[in-house]
Amino acid sequence: GESVGLHLPTLSVQEGDNSIINCAYSNSASDYFIWYKQESGKGPQFIIDIRSNMDKRQGQRVTVLLNKTVKHLSLQIAATQPGDSAVYFCAGGGYSTLTFGKGTMLLVSP
Amino acid sequence: DAGVTQSPTHLIKTRGQQVTLRCSPKSGHDTVSWYQQALGQGPQFIFQYYEEEERQRGNFPDRFSGHQFPNYSSELNVNALLLGDSALYLCASSLGGFSSYEQYFGPGTRLTVT
Repeated sequence: GESVGLHLPTLSVQEGDNSIINCAYSNSASDYFIWYKQESGKGPQFIIDIRSNMDKRQGQRVTVLLNKTVKHLSLQIAATQPGDSAVYFCAGGGYSTLTFGKGTMLLVSP
Repeated sequence: DAGVTQSPTHLIKTRGQQVTLRCSPKSGHDTVSWYQQALGQGPQFIFQYYEEEERQRGNFPDRFSGHQFPNYSSELNVNALLLGDSALYLCASSLGGFSSYEQYFGPGTRLTVT
């Protein structure tokens, strides 16, 4: 089955730096991958997604990279802001379900 | 545009009791998925409802059941509560078809079992 996990439980950065959050997956059958942001006391918020047939996708201040050869996914956040502090999850998607990893907490200090 | 709403926000129950959680999907969505999120963990898929039927189920016992109404809202029922059922229960809605693509999550219901 799908297994999605993250390399680091906590990432601390300075405001204005670029952040990179990594994720490894084991099931190559996922149709797509999604990054979610979850702030304390809230549900996960969709950030960006990427189809399995793509290598890169860019959004506003965020870029997702997919390396299918090594089954690795990353989320890059440019010019990280204090409001970016949250837990970030990657999730692999297929028929009807999403499989989430445990999450990485991003801490942004001024 | 109303997003996904859930009720209640918080709930405290005793072991052995039963609980019902409610979810209203985002406007225009017809599919509802339920997830359980233990503290410090990622959400775990419970089941998904589409056209008032359970379409797929995760690795959860039969104590967890659900329902979807004609207006697409949904309920999650948990019987014979255990201490381990304490978690944040998330509802996510999406637009039908056989895909979980672009699920929008509600704020969740925090269930505490004592």
